[in-house]
Amino acid sequence: EAGVAQSPRYKIIEKRQSVAFWCNPISGHATLYWYQQILGQGPKLLIQFQNNGVVDDSQLPKDRFSAERLKGVDSTLKIQPAKLEDSAVYLCASSLGQGKGTEAFFGQGTRLTVV
Amino acid sequence: DQQVKQNSPSLSVQEGRISILNCDYTNSMFDYFLWYKKYPAEGPTFLISISSIKDKNEDGRFTVFLNKSAKHLSLHIVPSQPGDSAVYFCAAIPGSYQLTFGKGTKLSVIP
Repeated sequence: EAGVAQSPRYKIIEKRQSVAFWCNPISGHATLYWYQQILGQGPKLLIQFQNNGVVDDSQLPKDRFSAERLKGVDSTLKIQPAKLEDSAVYLCASSLGQGKGTEAFFGQGTRLTVV
Repeated sequence: DQQVKQNSPSLSVQEGRISILNCDYTNSMFDYFLWYKKYPAEGPTFLISISSIKDKNEDGRFTVFLNKSAKHLSLHIVPSQPGDSAVYFCAAIPGSYQLTFGKGTKLSVIP
């Protein structure tokens, strides 16, 4: 079974530039998550999709971050414009459903450095 | 405000001995708990979970204990192996599925 695929693995941009990350979840997984992990911290949920609908985006900085999941499969996360404090690893995860017992499977992440 | 706390940033254990990783939580609504393991340059991988209706769950060398009254859980690894060296994250879910992670504990198993 293929895992969660993310690209790119690494990205370096200047502040005020824009950047986009791509995620392909495990086939058949209805729930998709984007997490931000700042160095020394645990992953923090940015947005959660159930199929192509948003379930939770309460911690997404909506003035600069946006995410979409077209056709309920792949997803993109965009930052525009980027700030220095956005430097982090962005993790995509997917799970079969939303209930307890359906653990999330994570991709390798995209390491973003904003200079 | 950290709702899931892992107060030990690091832990070193001799190979063959027991590793005990601790986690405390503050949100009484959490009713499902998970441990994830993370190697460098990889995403976290699910290790073991426990529901709040239980106080213990075991899977091979890994056992998770839950003390609801103390809002405390721990992960025991027996015996510890060098391949267990990784960062371990404690995570919790309230009624709705929003996984909240602790900051992680880096485990080093010394051969």
